[in-house]
Amino acid sequence: KNEVEQSPQNLTAQEGEFITINCSYSVGISALHWLQQHPGGGIVSLFMLSSGKKKHGRLIATINIQEKHSSLHITASHPRDSAVYICAVRLGGNKLTFGGGTRVLVKP
Amino acid sequence: DAGVIQSPRHEVTEMGQEVTLRCKPISGHNSLFWYRQTMMRGLELLIYFNNNVPIDDSGMPEDRFSAKMPNASFSTLKIQPSEPRDSAVYFCASSSTGGETQYFGPGTRLLVL
Repeated sequence: KNEVEQSPQNLTAQEGEFITINCSYSVGISALHWLQQHPGGGIVSLFMLSSGKKKHGRLIATINIQEKHSSLHITASHPRDSAVYICAVRLGGNKLTFGGGTRVLVKP
Repeated sequence: DAGVIQSPRHEVTEMGQEVTLRCKPISGHNSLFWYRQTMMRGLELLIYFNNNVPIDDSGMPEDRFSAKMPNASFSTLKIQPSEPRDSAVYFCASSSTGGETQYFGPGTRLLVL
């Protein structure tokens, strides 16, 4: 069983819709990261969370340490949000373990 | 800042050849990471350095892979001899002390024929 599970694997939404991506992990962590991988392949770090909630523009990330669960929300989705979103957990030190990614397609 | 720089961006080679991938981290960052991404396995950490010292190389597939960081501004990942199953995108990332955010390079797309 993977230490980091993401759902759904694929998601298609219409422009303007609210999108939620989920990430569950099975071990204690020191932090959780959300990354965005663009269609061209580049990877950008969106958030680093150890508790609570963070917001950046239309993106909101939450984490529940007790339930070992995090969600990434995209409000008022736009075609430029189409990307693969990757959850990664930091178990200790600086080592990251990655989920399988969620491929998001936002149609105009 | 130019961000993390990787070279080459694309590499096509034949099985058995030596491949060397290069990475220049962001100036001032003291942690450097090498990742591999494939369709089958997603993103995997190969090795990471802290202050030029390898901290965790448990992800390095086998002896054919080696990584060095001779100074704070340069690292290499070498595959010798290369095999078709090494075909993947190899990312380098760096972070500052505390490692809260890792900054990824554009990746090197490797194809071993």
